[in-house]
Amino acid sequence: EVQLVESGGGLVQPGRSLRLSCAASGFTFDDYGMHWVRQAPGKGLEWVSGISWNSRIIGYADSVRGRFTISRDSAKNSLYLQMNSLRAEDTALYYCVRDVTNGGWCTALDPWGQGTLVTVSS
Amino acid sequence: IVMTQTPLSSLVTLGQPASISCRSSQSLVHSDGNTYLSWLQQRPGQPPRLLIYRISNRFSGVPDRFSGSGAGTDFTLKISRVEAEDVGVYYCMQSSQLPLTFGGGTKVEIK
Repeated sequence: EVQLVESGGGLVQPGRSLRLSCAASGFTFDDYGMHWVRQAPGKGLEWVSGISWNSRIIGYADSVRGRFTISRDSAKNSLYLQMNSLRAEDTALYYCVRDVTNGGWCTALDPWGQGTLVTVSS
Repeated sequence: IVMTQTPLSSLVTLGQPASISCRSSQSLVHSDGNTYLSWLQQRPGQPPRLLIYRISNRFSGVPDRFSGSGAGTDFTLKISRVEAEDVGVYYCMQSSQLPLTFGGGTKVEIK
């Protein structure tokens, strides 16, 4: 069974940093592009960042470019999101999501993890 | 690319059809010839799940009462006969171009 389990969320003050992790299992991690998508409380979905299966393609939303860094570790079957200079508007549930297609890029996104909540507040 | 969904919400009688529209601010036809438009369902308290990809391809395990259609900049998700388990918010998403973008969502409720 494919599983994506996020961790690392919590309450953090504005301007501080947080690192999210996503542990992947049930599939060959190296073969799939991975993404972070967030959802502010009561709001819609916002793509944050994505990284291709071979790490050659990396993309960011304008709202986080220069502050967030996505990375992946094939030895640990894990995806990461380093979030610096956090702002109140970064408060959201952060989902780890896999590309649908083996070896593809951005065909569609599934499955989704359960998410980890990040709250930025003083 | 801006994705605009209508309606914002839909009140549907059980067994009746429902339709959701999604319009993109520019063509979603990729240079490889494919159109990367998907539909996702988010049930209350759950993460989203993929229903339809590349306009009209039903994802694994998705009931055949869900169908997608459209081309270029105009797309539609149809539920032929709404069931109680279809309650939730539906999102269209384009992945033809970075950044990936989502529609604002359509809430489907039972009358």
